[in-house]
Amino acid sequence: GNSVTQMEGPVTLSEEAFLTINCTYTATGYPSLFWYVQYPGEGLQLLLKATKADDKGSNKGFEATYRKETTSFHLEKGSVQVSDSAVYFCALAGTASKLTFGTGTRLQVTL
Amino acid sequence: EAGVTQFPSHSVIEKGQTVTLRCDPISGHDNLYWYRRVMGKEIKFLLHFVKESKQDESGMPNNRFLAERTGGTYSTLKVQPAELEDSGVYFCASSEGQGPYNEQFFGPGTRLTVL
Repeated sequence: GNSVTQMEGPVTLSEEAFLTINCTYTATGYPSLFWYVQYPGEGLQLLLKATKADDKGSNKGFEATYRKETTSFHLEKGSVQVSDSAVYFCALAGTASKLTFGTGTRLQVTL
Repeated sequence: EAGVTQFPSHSVIEKGQTVTLRCDPISGHDNLYWYRRVMGKEIKFLLHFVKESKQDESGMPNNRFLAERTGGTYSTLKVQPAELEDSGVYFCASSEGQGPYNEQFFGPGTRLTVL
């Protein structure tokens, strides 16, 4: 079956530091890949997505590239802010509608 | 436009009791999903409604869980009787269409604690 593995947290960074959260997946066929974010006290929000190999999703300064050869979709941001503190979830969707999520990575950004 | 809403936001019950969670999707969204996150682990799919029909209920853990969506609007998820391992955050999501290209919009979740 489908599965998503993402790096354990928490990740603690100083403001303006570079962020990478690793995500790898196992799936049959060609899934769509997503990063969701959950800010404190809120629901999950779609951060970015990519639907085919070599696509790059981007939003709010975050980027992730769909790498089929390494089955990865790592999340990056060049300069994090305190307001980026949240839990980040990597997810995939195959041909069905249901999403398969990773365990989530908590990011804490300090001044 | 209102987003996906869930009620209650928190529920604390004793083992063996019954709890009913409610989800109101975005108006006009035919697709409604339930997910849950147990003990800080991954968020797991429970089931998917298209209007009032269950399209996929492969993630429902056992027959103590009953989901309904009468009339194709809001949905309820009943746990009866609740067990300790049912504790977690239950998320509802809705989407306009089906398939991986349709964004699912999530509610804030219901945190369930079974004592």
